[in-house]
Amino acid sequence: AQSVTQPDIHITVSEGASLELRCNYSYGATPYLFWYVQSPGQGLQLLLKYFSGDTLVQGIKGFEAEFKRSQSSFNLRKPSVHWSDAAEYFCAVGARAGGTSYGKLTFGQGTILTVHP
Amino acid sequence: DAGVIQSPRHEVTEMGQEVTLRCKPISGHNSLFWYRQTMMRGLELLIYFNNNVPIDDSGMPEDRFSAKMPNASFSTLKIQPSEPRDSAVYFCASSSKLQGLSTDTQYFGPGTRLTVL
Repeated sequence: AQSVTQPDIHITVSEGASLELRCNYSYGATPYLFWYVQSPGQGLQLLLKYFSGDTLVQGIKGFEAEFKRSQSSFNLRKPSVHWSDAAEYFCAVGARAGGTSYGKLTFGQGTILTVHP
Repeated sequence: DAGVIQSPRHEVTEMGQEVTLRCKPISGHNSLFWYRQTMMRGLELLIYFNNNVPIDDSGMPEDRFSAKMPNASFSTLKIQPSEPRDSAVYFCASSSKLQGLSTDTQYFGPGTRLTVL
């Protein structure tokens, strides 16, 4: 069974500082990987996704993530954080073609990001 | 595209009452997911449908919960009778299976915040 671990429950950074949110997954083959962001009172919005190809994926709002098969990781990064990036971030893993998951995703517990001015 | 639509956005009810949450997926999407989000348990998948057929309802907490998808553009999640511990935010998401892939991006609705007194 697939699983996702986000080791950091809460991270605080200063505005303008760089950011890295960690995500480790467990899956028997190469997975599909996603990062979503949730602002307070809102639904989840897709930031970026990895299906295949280049292991460095660019997303919206200046975010990027790198798939590292050897480390089973898909960490999210941003070189300079803005106050509006304060939110909760979820990493998710999905099954590859040939499975019967019909698009089911497994989400991590989330990382809350606080941005100090 | 209007995105995933959920109604109501907020629901306050008394213990023992029936609650019905509604979801309209994105047109053309063939998979629909119901999630529950609480502080204690995070984001939990309750049930999902593919082509209007329930695929996996193992996340449904108990028999008080039921979900239907009578057609491709509408789904309901019903709780009868409701209990205070059902208080949570309930999200609906939809996705479209790309050719050759079993997983694609899930698009989330804004959620329904349920409070059971």
